[in-house]
Amino acid sequence: RKEVEQDPGPFNVPEGATVAFNCTYSNSASQSFFWYRQDCRKEPKLLMSVYSSGNEDGRFTAQLNRASQYISLLIRDSKLSDSATYLCVGDSGSARQLTFGSGTQLTVLP
Amino acid sequence: GAVVSQHPSWVICKSGTSVKIECRSLDFQATTMFWYRQFPKQSLMLMATSNEGSKATYEQGVEKDKFLINHASLTLSTLTVTSAHPEDSSFYICSARDGLGETQYFGPGTRLLVL
Repeated sequence: RKEVEQDPGPFNVPEGATVAFNCTYSNSASQSFFWYRQDCRKEPKLLMSVYSSGNEDGRFTAQLNRASQYISLLIRDSKLSDSATYLCVGDSGSARQLTFGSGTQLTVLP
Repeated sequence: GAVVSQHPSWVICKSGTSVKIECRSLDFQATTMFWYRQFPKQSLMLMATSNEGSKATYEQGVEKDKFLINHASLTLSTLTVTSAHPEDSSFYICSARDGLGETQYFGPGTRLLVL
């Protein structure tokens, strides 16, 4: 079983739609979680960190449920520029290494 | 935000040659650098973790004699793919973290094509 699992998609949504991505992790020692965004043929870029209390950054909302070992990302009012692959990432606990999910591909259509 | 550079951004080489990739932290001291590899339509896979001044720690299945890592200074780590073969063709990405923070800053990646 992969340490971080995501639905690979692809998700094709119209502009303005709300889309949600889910992710589960298996390493209960993981402390920190993140969502990264990766554009085609580019490096991943940090989108936001994920906290148990939930956090919001503009149109993006991330949530962590430690009991269920589940992470989510909600994108509201999606824009064409949101088209990318979204990577769910957890740390490895004490080693502070990052483990990446395989990514969920999003395409926002005009 | 912090900037990490990689050089070269792409390389094409013949099978059997060695390729060196540099990763530099431009505006901070990176006590730890990470090397990842990403094949098409797959996620990033950690190859090794390197701490300045010490030997790199390789992930299971990554040959340390094939992928030589040197982290000689707080701003530079190098990955050398020795005797490269076509199956080594991939997108190699480094990241750097300073001593205090949790955030890893990624370089732009190096595309390697071995013919």
